[in-house]
Amino acid sequence: QSALTQPAAVSGSPGQSITISCTGTSSDVGSFNLVSWYQQHPGKAPKLMIYEVTKRPSGVSNRFSGSKSGNTASLTISGLQAEDEGDYYCCSYAGSTTSVVFGGGTKLTVL
Amino acid sequence: QVQLVQSGAEVKKPGASVKVSCKASGYTFTNYYMHWVRQAPGQGLVWMGIINPSGGTTMFAQKFQGRVTVTRDTSTGTVYMELRSLRSEDTAVYYCARDLGECTGGICPYGMDVWGQGTTVTVSS
Repeated sequence: QSALTQPAAVSGSPGQSITISCTGTSSDVGSFNLVSWYQQHPGKAPKLMIYEVTKRPSGVSNRFSGSKSGNTASLTISGLQAEDEGDYYCCSYAGSTTSVVFGGGTKLTVL
Repeated sequence: QVQLVQSGAEVKKPGASVKVSCKASGYTFTNYYMHWVRQAPGQGLVWMGIINPSGGTTMFAQKFQGRVTVTRDTSTGTVYMELRSLRSEDTAVYYCARDLGECTGGICPYGMDVWGQGTTVTVSS
């Protein structure tokens, strides 16, 4: 059982927008602005897409955006493209005992 | 360019130990904390632990405490992760990943911005 809850799968058509949720608790997502999102293609290492809830690393398309409300963080991808297909993971700091938790991952399919 | 290069694939028997290396280049090694993350076949990412390459302090997930050691060699810019008492469930790809934040007091991750290519560890009798 992953500490952060994500939907197993989401899908969308090219050009559409989708949102992936990441639900934690008041001990992790709700207490710290240290939520990050990663994209992973098959057989590849994860790639950082969003950090500190809303910030985008250099080189990541502005079609990717992050937000947080209460214990739930979200990743929104607008103008879906075929290359966006892959697995997405959220991650959060969870306090000094647990330290770091990942979500179970969401498989994005571009129809 | 900034990169992390990991050691090659390993095959180990149950009960053995494995040591995976992660060599950093292109940046000041001691300025960035380093995480270890693993991914079992077909499964999600699991955080294992973190090291401050400057002072060598470490922190681990409870699941791995007592079975994992992470060390660093500042002269070569290399971080090592050793996992002991291997069992079949430890079969996974192991990644090192740099944290882009300051991680003051060990509060991380801000974001893991550079990843190694991964090291496949297979545990089988």
